[in-house]
Amino acid sequence: EAGVTQSPTHLIKTRGQQATLRCSPISGHTSVYWYQQALGLGLQFLLWYDEGEERNRGNFPPRFSGRQFPNYSSELNVNALELEDSALYLCASSAGQVHNEQFFGPGTRLTVL
Amino acid sequence: AQSVTQLGSHVSVSEGALVLLRCNYSSSVPPYLFWYVQYPNQGLQLLLKYTSAATLVKGINGFEAEFKKSETSFHLTKPSAHMSDAAEYFCAVSDQRGGGTSYGKLTFGQGTILTVHP
Repeated sequence: EAGVTQSPTHLIKTRGQQATLRCSPISGHTSVYWYQQALGLGLQFLLWYDEGEERNRGNFPPRFSGRQFPNYSSELNVNALELEDSALYLCASSAGQVHNEQFFGPGTRLTVL
Repeated sequence: AQSVTQLGSHVSVSEGALVLLRCNYSSSVPPYLFWYVQYPNQGLQLLLKYTSAATLVKGINGFEAEFKKSETSFHLTKPSAHMSDAAEYFCAVSDQRGGGTSYGKLTFGQGTILTVHP
């Protein structure tokens, strides 16, 4: 069974640009979660999508947005990049809300210069 | 609101020694609790989970954890450390109940880096 995949592995942008990160969940999983792991700030919940709808959102500004496609893959968009957006962005998927067991991908390392 | 506190950002043990990583949680509703491990430059791998069944939970790679409601703790242990256990470990809590701002998300502790000496 293939795990959660994310692309790209690394992404380098400059301040003010936009970044798009992609995630493919485990086959059969309908929920996708995004987390930010920034140095010194730990793992912070960003967004949760289920069946194409945004179900919950963490304490992040509106320039962090995303969507979930009909095939359950997901995209995270970060507009007007700031230096502090540099982090590892982790995507996770789950089969539903039973026990909320989330399986994580390898992450996308975003560097903002 | 949920929160997780991991006592000790760094723990160092000798190979073959007991591993004990501490986690205390705060939750206003019955929680689900998880331990994840992260190796350098990788994502998180689930070690074990507590979902209100047995209080002693066994996971992969010889790890186990005990849910103690009275102490609001979910400490991770392994009887004998291996060099391959060196990694960062995260305790996480999620809300069993539907709705609310904490629904669906995992709230993580700050992580504990485990170093294993030969």
